[in-house]
Amino acid sequence: IAGITQAPTSQILAAGRRMTLRCTQDMRHNAMYWYRQDLGLGLRLIHYSNTAGTTGKGEVPDGYSVSRANTDDFPLTLASAVPSQTSVYFCASSDGGEQFFGPGTRLTVL
Amino acid sequence: AQSVTQPDIHITVSEGASLELRCNYSYGATPYLFWYVQSPGQGLQLLLKYFSGDTLVQGIKGFEAEFKRSQSSFNLRKPSVHWSDAAEYFCLIKAAGNKLTFGGGTRVLVKP
Repeated sequence: IAGITQAPTSQILAAGRRMTLRCTQDMRHNAMYWYRQDLGLGLRLIHYSNTAGTTGKGEVPDGYSVSRANTDDFPLTLASAVPSQTSVYFCASSDGGEQFFGPGTRLTVL
Repeated sequence: AQSVTQPDIHITVSEGASLELRCNYSYGATPYLFWYVQSPGQGLQLLLKYFSGDTLVQGIKGFEAEFKRSQSSFNLRKPSVHWSDAAEYFCLIKAAGNKLTFGGGTRVLVKP
């Protein structure tokens, strides 16, 4: 059982480019989340999805979009990356209680 | 809106000494409460959680936490710290509608 996988592990991206971070879970959890982690700011919720076909905005949604076409996948897209989006991104899923986290994607926007 | 405060950004403790990490939350009801640990360069691992019932909860790695409704607190404790406990610790609340809020984290340094 893999749990939650994220791809890529790390990426360096030129400003203005489009980028999709992938997240897949095999636990059949309904809820999925995207966070960014920045030094001194902890983890902040970007977007979430309570079930396939629905999404919602978190604390810092601007510049990001998500989709939830099925239960397993929850991609995060940066339409036009900016340097302030340099961060470590964590995907998580939940069965209604505990959150399970992926290993993270380290993104650098230059 | 809910919020979570971890007042201590850094804590340094000697190996073998006790550890207490503070977590206070603001929410109109009792949320679900969690503590996670993140080792350097790693993802987040659940230490323990509180949903209801006994207010003293036991977790992994010898950690425990106590929920105090009157103080809106969920402090994490460990009687004797090991060098491997050096990490960052996050308190998380989950409110109605799956709204999740993390505290800012407390970084624990362990002195030999």
